[in-house]
Amino acid sequence: EAGVAQSPRYKIIEKRQSVAFWCNPISGHATLYWYQQILGQGPKLLIQFQNNGVVDDSQLPKDRFSAERLKGVDSTLKIQPAKLEDSAVYLCASSYRQGGSYEQYFGPGTRLTVT
Amino acid sequence: GENVGLHLPTLSVQEGDNSIINCAYSNSASDYFIWYKQESGKGPQFIIDIRSNMDKRQGQRVTVLLNKTVKHLSLQIAATQPGDSAVYFCAENAGRRALTFGSGTRLQVQP
Repeated sequence: EAGVAQSPRYKIIEKRQSVAFWCNPISGHATLYWYQQILGQGPKLLIQFQNNGVVDDSQLPKDRFSAERLKGVDSTLKIQPAKLEDSAVYLCASSYRQGGSYEQYFGPGTRLTVT
Repeated sequence: GENVGLHLPTLSVQEGDNSIINCAYSNSASDYFIWYKQESGKGPQFIIDIRSNMDKRQGQRVTVLLNKTVKHLSLQIAATQPGDSAVYFCAENAGRRALTFGSGTRLQVQP
């Protein structure tokens, strides 16, 4: 079974620039998550999708971050404009069904450096 | 702003010894807990989970203990191997929400 795919793996941008990350979840997984992981910390949920609908985006900085999952499969996360504090690893995860009690499978992440 | 990453607590053990990694969780309503292993440059990898109606669950070389009275979770790794070296996170879930992760512990296995 193929895992969660993410691209790019690394990205370096200057502050105030824009960046987009892509995620392809495991086939058949209805729930998709984007997490932000700052160095030395655990992942923090940014947004959770169930199919193509948003379940939880309470911790997403909506003035600069946006995410979509138009066809209920792939998802993109965008930051515009980026700030220095956005430097982190952005992890995508998917699970078969909604809720934390169903195992989440994580992708390798995209490491973003904002200079 | 600047990236103010925390310094991870580190557990250093000898190869072959048993390891115990501890975690305190915050939400008394949490009913599901998972331990994840994260190697450098990779996403978190599921190790073992436990529901709140249990106090112990065993897997292959790993055991998770849950003490709901003091909101404490531990991961025991038997006969620790160099390949176990990684950062370990506990995560909790209440209801249908996504996971809330702890801050992590780095396990270093000395050969």
